[in-house]
Amino acid sequence: GNSVTQMEGPVTLSEEAFLTINCTYTATGYPSLFWYVQYPGEGLQLLLKATKADDKGSNKGFEATYRKETTSFHLEKGSVQVSDSAVYFCALSLPKAGDMRFGAGTRLTVKP
Amino acid sequence: DSGVTQTPKHLITATGQRVTLRCSPRSGDLSVYWYQQSLDQGLQFLIQYYNGEERAKGNILERFSAQQFPDLHSELNLSSLELGDSALYFCASSVDEGFADTQYFGPGTRLTVL
Repeated sequence: GNSVTQMEGPVTLSEEAFLTINCTYTATGYPSLFWYVQYPGEGLQLLLKATKADDKGSNKGFEATYRKETTSFHLEKGSVQVSDSAVYFCALSLPKAGDMRFGAGTRLTVKP
Repeated sequence: DSGVTQTPKHLITATGQRVTLRCSPRSGDLSVYWYQQSLDQGLQFLIQYYNGEERAKGNILERFSAQQFPDLHSELNLSSLELGDSALYFCASSVDEGFADTQYFGPGTRLTVL
């Protein structure tokens, strides 16, 4: 079936550290891939997306590249800030299937 | 603020009861999606409506139903509630019907079933 697996948290980093959150997917067909972020007490916000292989999504210093050969969409940021503390969700959608699948979420805490 | 509103913010009810959650999409958005977020199941897609018609169905129980009205607001009806239905229910909206479109999420309704 179609699914997303992302690295388990929680992840705790110091400010200005490098961040990687791994995400791999299983899908029939050609999914679109997303990273969403959920700040405490809020709904999800789209962080970035990529709709085809080799696309790179980027936003607010975060990046992820759609790698078809490794079925991955890892999230990276070169220098995290305290304000990046949140839960990050990797997700895929298959337009023809009309479905959206989320990973379990990774909680990131950035300490000053 | 995403522009998507959900009411109520919190709902506490008893097993066996029925509740209705309401969602108003962003101005101009035609698609509405419903999601359930719980500790054990994570975030799950329930159902999508586009311009009043059901477009896609995910892991929605038969006890749950939804509709989208002519003014594009949507309601999610949950009946014969069980303890396991306690969760955060999110609504999201997008301009078009494709799942690759950017979805804007509301703040959620927290449902507690006692």
